[in-house]
Amino acid sequence: KAGVTQTPRYLIKTRGQQVTLSCSPISGHRSVSWYQQTPGQGLQFLFEYFSETQRNKGNFPGRFSGRQFSNSRSEMNVSTLELGDSALYLCASSGGTYTYNEQFFGPGTRLTVL
Amino acid sequence: GEDVEQSLFLSVREGDSSVINCTYTDSSSTYLYWYKQEPGAGLQLLTYIFSNMDMKQDQRLTVLLNKKDKHLSLRIADTQTGDSAIYFCAESLRTTSGTYKYIFGTGTRLKVLA
Repeated sequence: KAGVTQTPRYLIKTRGQQVTLSCSPISGHRSVSWYQQTPGQGLQFLFEYFSETQRNKGNFPGRFSGRQFSNSRSEMNVSTLELGDSALYLCASSGGTYTYNEQFFGPGTRLTVL
Repeated sequence: GEDVEQSLFLSVREGDSSVINCTYTDSSSTYLYWYKQEPGAGLQLLTYIFSNMDMKQDQRLTVLLNKKDKHLSLRIADTQTGDSAIYFCAESLRTTSGTYKYIFGTGTRLKVLA
């Protein structure tokens, strides 16, 4: 079974631009969660999508948005990039239906904002 | 509130035991997890413990949970250089909508000295 894939792996953008990151979950998984990882802050939860609907949301500004397609692939968009958006963005997929749901993480997309 | 805290660094000698500690604030956690992140990779689930358990052992890994003090620890016996990584503690919480979300700690960077 293929793991979680994220594209691109690395991205360099400038302030004010927008960016779209993609995540393909493990086949059969319906839940995709997005996290921002920065040194000293750990993983901050952005949002979770389940069956094309946003099910949970973290405390990030509206510049961060996402969506999920019918094949469970998910995209995350950040508009009007700021220097502080530089981070590793991780996505995780899971079955999404039970209390215990192991999250399987992708390798991440490292975004650098100049 | 929802907060998970860990110390940032730990250094041990090869062959010694490592103990990584974590404190959390939300007593309604259902499961608590330990993840490992190696350089350039996503997070890999190492082990988890249900919130009504005190201890779980899995080969070289021992998880201890003190629910009264909201303290979780991960002990790695006979630590090897391949154990050098960042270790994240996480808890899953039930939301008001009946779903579950994960709260991650800041991560502890374990360095194993040969």
